[in-house]
Amino acid sequence: KNQVEQSPQSLIILEGKNCTLQCNYTVSPFSNLRWYKQDTGRGPVSLTIMTFSENTKSNGRYTATLDADTKQSSLHITASQLSDSASYICVVIFDNYGQNFVFGPGTRLSVLP
Amino acid sequence: NAGVTQTPKFRVLKTGQSMTLLCAQDMNHEYMYWYRQDPGMGLRLIHYSVGEGTTAKGEVPDGYNVSRLKKQNFLLGLESAAPSQTSVYFCASSLTESTEAFFGQGTRLTVV
Repeated sequence: KNQVEQSPQSLIILEGKNCTLQCNYTVSPFSNLRWYKQDTGRGPVSLTIMTFSENTKSNGRYTATLDADTKQSSLHITASQLSDSASYICVVIFDNYGQNFVFGPGTRLSVLP
Repeated sequence: NAGVTQTPKFRVLKTGQSMTLLCAQDMNHEYMYWYRQDPGMGLRLIHYSVGEGTTAKGEVPDGYNVSRLKKQNFLLGLESAAPSQTSVYFCASSLTESTEAFFGQGTRLTVV
């Protein structure tokens, strides 16, 4: 069964600190992996998209890594800001016509002053 | 350029009532999706469409119907609402099945 797991479920850090969120998946065949940020009460917004051949992708203070062999991805946030408080969702896309997004449950990040 | 717009943003229904959620996108995307998001769970696909006039079932289609009469609009209908359908509903669209998906702001539906 295609599944995406994320850890930790929730995380609290102080402003200015770094953090890393984890994503493990069992999706096959793999097409690409995405990280989304979802602010409370809003829809998810794309942060990064990585294909099978990409190991790292950055978007400002967000850096995503992908190890397709171990089926693991991480999202590293540098110098966190209060506005980083949100849920971060790992989404894995597999090659299946139409219905091919598998969403993780998300990690809830809280950045405190 | 508004992206993906959902209406309404909030709704309370009584058990057995019907309603339609509207999703509109102005990006000329072929693919449109309806998801539901429940606490502690990932988004689950209800129905999707790969083009005007086409619809298909997703992971959790029971109790819902959809229509895509115009390319820019994707409607989600609840014929007889049940408390189990209390959720936040998100519409999304994408150019193809593997390009970036853009989400609406969500509709919070409560069935009492």
